[in-house]
Amino acid sequence: DTGVSQDPRHKITKRGQNVTFRCDPISEHNRLYWYRQTLGQGPEFLTYFQNEAQLEKSRLLSDRFSAERPKGSFSTLEIQRTEQGDSAMYLCASSLRDTLAKNIQYFGAGTRLSVL
Amino acid sequence: DQQVKQNSPSLSVQEGRISILNCDYTNSMFDYFLWYKKYPAEGPTFLISISSIKDKNEDGRFTVFLNKSAKHLSLHIVPSQPGDSAVYFCAASAARGSTLGRLYFGRGTQLTVWP
Repeated sequence: DTGVSQDPRHKITKRGQNVTFRCDPISEHNRLYWYRQTLGQGPEFLTYFQNEAQLEKSRLLSDRFSAERPKGSFSTLEIQRTEQGDSAMYLCASSLRDTLAKNIQYFGAGTRLSVL
Repeated sequence: DQQVKQNSPSLSVQEGRISILNCDYTNSMFDYFLWYKKYPAEGPTFLISISSIKDKNEDGRFTVFLNKSAKHLSLHIVPSQPGDSAVYFCAASAARGSTLGRLYFGRGTQLTVWP
């Protein structure tokens, strides 16, 4: 069990550029989540996959954001035409589907995005 | 719309004493509650959880209490140790409804345990 892995750990980009983050969940976990955390706030839900199916998206996920999990394993989160307001920590989490009554999610270390 | 609230941004406790972190929620559909601990430059680490069918869950030095009628939960750490110094997040989820799967987090409480 190597835990949830996120790459890169830090990303600095200029406004208007596109960025892509990768998340590798714990190997047997079939659920994968993306959250965003800004200073002084708790993580806020962005989107959620069960296997390769994207089941839920927050209204925080504007049309500049897209997430994929093509083979039900790793996931990517892309932000197009970045804005300074996109600067945040992007967290990925995974969980095992035994029952949603025990929704324990395990988090990666996050990707810190800075948009200049 | 903050459905999970942690009203104390910080708490300072002496080593060996009890730390009590509080959390309130507004959504009666929440039926599973979790506490996460977060160190700087790391992701949140799962600490302990409780189902709404229980009112107490204990794991070593950590105990979570749930008062459903008051929509309130608390995390007790006894005895507190300097290594417990971190930000603690309360989170909640619902097994039914349109928000299935997502966790709702409070803003966190910075716990500092001093020698």
